Amino acid sequence: GAVVSQHPSWVICKSGTSVKIECRSLDFQATTMFWYRQFPKQSLMLMATSNEGSKATYEQGVEKDKFLINHASLTLSTLTVTSAHPEDSSFYICSASNFRLNTEAFFGQGTRLTVV
Amino acid sequence: RKEVEQDPGPFNVPEGATVAFNCTYSNSASQSFFWYRQDCRKEPKLLMSVYSSGNEDGRFTAQLNRASQYISLLIRDSKLSDSATYLCVVNGGLGSGGYQKVTFGTGTKLQVIP
Repeated sequence: GAVVSQHPSWVICKSGTSVKIECRSLDFQATTMFWYRQFPKQSLMLMATSNEGSKATYEQGVEKDKFLINHASLTLSTLTVTSAHPEDSSFYICSASNFRLNTEAFFGQGTRLTVV
Repeated sequence: RKEVEQDPGPFNVPEGATVAFNCTYSNSASQSFFWYRQDCRKEPKLLMSVYSSGNEDGRFTAQLNRASQYISLLIRDSKLSDSATYLCVVNGGLGSGGYQKVTFGTGTKLQVIP
């Protein structure tokens, strides 16, 4: 299957700092990228959807000024957690797809963020 | 009604058993359907797509019932290694704003017991 690379796989940061997570589709053009968050023992929760070249669409309850998403190219999307707090500690996963081709979503490996 | 609903489980089954998962969806215009498997603290991985005609891959069979708006996953001859959480995923097509609306079920946890 297609490869989506997410980096870093884990990060520890101090409260108040910002963290950037990258999501790259390595062998296909991702027209759409999704960012999810997963708290322990809970399901994946969609945070936002971004289409290449346009602003991300955020799910209800997700602060767009706190979780900055950039999808500048067909192979790269970034999520920046600004002014991180301990409650932002979570598992963040991106997925990429080319739904014009009706393909499934391919997931990155996930980033485990711990804010101390 | 949730857009995608699954029984959260857990399903505890002995090795060799057959286990079935169901998932219902509310958007009748949904276009594509998938089953993902997620191991603890790992990213979900595609298990199989679900086609209208039904599809089988070894011990796994997926079916789609558009009239009743549900998809199913059947695992035969369960192995210990099948223990994981199984997520159904529904692509609801273009939502408002022109983006793809992809919705995950909450997942059903399967524990295969020796």
